[in-house]
Order: sequence, then structure tokens, then C-alpha cells
Amino acid sequence: GAVVSQHPSRVICKSGTSVKIECRSLDFQATTMFWYRQFPKQSLMLMATSNEGSKATYEQGVEKDKFLINHASLTLSTLTVTSAHPEDSSFYICSARGPGLWETQYFGPGTRLLVL
Amino acid sequence: AQSVSQHNHHVILSEAASLELGCNYSYGGTVNLFWYVQYPGQHLQLLLKYFSGDPLVKGIKGFEAEFIKSKFSFNLRKPSVQWSDTAEYFCAVISGPNFGNEKLTFGTGTRLTIIP
Repeated sequence: GAVVSQHPSRVICKSGTSVKIECRSLDFQATTMFWYRQFPKQSLMLMATSNEGSKATYEQGVEKDKFLINHASLTLSTLTVTSAHPEDSSFYICSARGPGLWETQYFGPGTRLLVL
Repeated sequence: AQSVSQHNHHVILSEAASLELGCNYSYGGTVNLFWYVQYPGQHLQLLLKYFSGDPLVKGIKGFEAEFIKSKFSFNLRKPSVQWSDTAEYFCAVISGPNFGNEKLTFGTGTRLTIIP
């Protein structure tokens, strides 16, 4: 099956710094990638939809200047948490959808972010 | 807006017991329904999906789900669970298709613990 990787798997940073999370589709080209945030014991909340070569579409309530998304190629999307604060600590998960597979998303393993 | 409800937050069963996890959605139009599983320390994996046709859908690892449109439900079942089924289970829905704008809405998840 299709494989999606995320890097890093875990990151700890100081408040005020920026953190970049990478999402890669390893064996297929992903025209669309999605970024989710998962709080403990809660569901995945969609943050934004990233389309290759165009600007990301953010969900209501998500600060686009704080969560920068770049989908520069068909196999890579990045999420940068700028000026991170402790309330940004969470589990960030990406998923990827390939062409012709609009109904199925393949998920990455997630990145645990802890902001001190 | 579409929403998904999973009323069972934590289910504990003994091996060989039968399983049914509830899922209800709120959207009244065409829906595509999914069950995802997240094993401890692993990424989300697709168990099964429903788009159209036979409302009884069979997935991997002996799981099945039944779409009952009149009840807005898509419950997950397995006749005999195994210890390895211990995981978090998420129901999700896409209302559409709206090609290019499909967004998964997840339920809050059900933690399943199987006691050997």
C-alpha cells in the first residue's frame, strides 16, 4: 500500500522558536496532502488542505501565519509552526491523497511536538 | 456541516467476544464512510470504506460495517475479537464527492482494549 512518512517523529523546542515538520509520500505522487492536529483523547481536527503548486486552504480558526504550509513537490509537504508556544504542543498528522484516489487518504505516523 | 459521533469512548472485551462499535453521522446527503484503526504507536490505517452499493462492507482483519441510511449509522463489527485488535478506532465521513475539496471529518474515536 501507499506509504507516507513524517519527520521528525518527536520534537521538543523552546517557546518562541519555529519548528518544521515534513510529510512525504514515499511510493506515489500526492496532489493533495492534509494536515491534522490531534489533542489527547480527542479526534483528528483538519487544519489545512495542501495542494501541490498552490496555496494551502486553511480551516476556520487556524492561523495561516502561524502554521505555514508548503507543498513544493508531488511528494513533499511541510508544516512550519512559527513562534511556537506551549499551547501548540500537540500531535500533528499528515495524510496524502494521490491522483485518482480522491476518496482514500494515507496517513503518516504523526509528529509529537512539545513546546517548553 | 457534517459531524460524526462515536458514543463508545472505551470498550473493554475479552478475547473471542463479539464487537460492535457505534458510529452516527449528521449529513443528510450523499456520504462516503470510513473506519480507520490506529494501533499503539502506529499510524492510522484504513479498515474499510463505503461509497455505494451493498450496505454491508467487509474490510481487513475480519471487520465489517453496515451502512443504515435511515439511522445515519455505520457501525463496525467483528464476530470474534483478538488481543491484537487492541487499538483506537475512528469513524470518518466525507460528504460529496466534490472533487478536489473532499475533507474527512472524524469521530472522537473509540479505544478498544482486548483482555487475553
